[in-house]
Order: sequence, then structure tokens, then C-alpha cells
Amino acid sequence: GQQLNQSPQSMFIQEGEDVSMNCTSSSIFNTWLWYKQDPGEGPVLLIALYKAGELTSNGRLTAQFGITRKDSFLNISASIPSDVGIYFCAGQSSIPGNTPLVFGKGTRLSVIA
Amino acid sequence: EAQVTQNPRYLITVTGKKLTVTCSQNMNHEYMSWYRQDPGLGLRQIYYSMNVEVTDKGDVPEGYKVSRKEKRNFPLILESPSPNQTSLYFCASSLGRGNQPQHFGDGTRLSIL
Repeated sequence: GQQLNQSPQSMFIQEGEDVSMNCTSSSIFNTWLWYKQDPGEGPVLLIALYKAGELTSNGRLTAQFGITRKDSFLNISASIPSDVGIYFCAGQSSIPGNTPLVFGKGTRLSVIA
Repeated sequence: EAQVTQNPRYLITVTGKKLTVTCSQNMNHEYMSWYRQDPGLGLRQIYYSMNVEVTDKGDVPEGYKVSRKEKRNFPLILESPSPNQTSLYFCASSLGRGNQPQHFGDGTRLSIL
């Protein structure tokens, strides 16, 4: 099936630093979603993007839907310890019909206080 | 409270012994799906359902069955579990088509010996 390339796989940062991660696809998507997963819990939706070029914020988080529709970026500003977790991107292709959501393999974020 | 509820949360069983993981949502969502999460592989979709009595295969359907007799319930059935189905399983639901943000349950950890 389709795959998303998410990078980096893991990050260790100092508290207060900004964080960037991204996802790329070989095919066009018409929806990009970003989730965060804490240990022992299910993924929780952070930001949803539905239009190429769209830039959306949720508190200290900002995500963008790439102009080419083949990538998306998530930025976290002024990181804090509770930002620790695994961040997943997910996308759905532009092909009409019952196309499933495809997930990246995740970026594991560690914040050093 | 809006939620997706999975049961059981943990299960250890033996090869070949049929098991069912239940999933129920109280949000009147049309779309429901099952994922498995494995280290290094991220979330992979097993099956999904666009509405009652409508189910489709995801990326890794082999060895699994599902049913959607009622809108709120979407059980995952392993008729003859094998050790390679040891994994963390998540059920998710969304309001409409697959491109709507999905709400995840807290997961079911299955160990097949």
C-alpha cells in the first residue's frame, strides 16, 4: 500500500527549543492529519489540514499542507516536557472513494528539562 | 463524554483460540476502522467500515474479520490467532468519510502464544 516518509524518526531537544518534523509522499493527498500518542494511549488528533497551502495553528503547534500536496510539516514552538510522545502524520489520497488513511511511522520526541 | 471504547485492554491467549475485540463509539459516527501498531511499522489499517453492513479491507486484512451490524459497534475477530498477530490494536471512528479526523480508542494489547 501507500507509504508516508516521516522524519526525523526521533529527536532529543532542550526544553524551550522549537521542533520541526515533516512527512512526504510519492502521491498526492487531499487531507493531512497530525496526531500525538502518549505511552499507553491511543493517538489524539492535533491538527487537520484540507487545502493545499493551508497553515493551521493549535496553541504552540503549527502545521502546513504543502503546496505540492505531497508533504506536510509540523512545528512545535517553545517545547515543554509534556510535549514528549510520538507524533504521527496521516494522509488520504485524492483518489475518490473509500481510500483508507495512511500513517507515517512516527517521530519520537524527547524533551530534556 | 464522547469516546471510543475497546475491550479487552489486554489479552494473552494461545494460537488457534478464537477471540473477539469489541469496539463501541457513542458519537453516532458512520466511519469506523481497526489498526494494528507494531514497532518500526507505525499504524497500519486492518479493516474499515463506511457505514452499517459496509466493510472494506485495509492494508493488512489477512487473518482478521470484522462486522458492522450496528452503527456504534465494530468488532474485530481473529478466528484462528497466530503469534504474528501479537500487536497493539486500535479502533477509531469518524463522523463521515475517511478523510475526517478519527478518534481513537485507548488500544488493546494482544499477545498470542
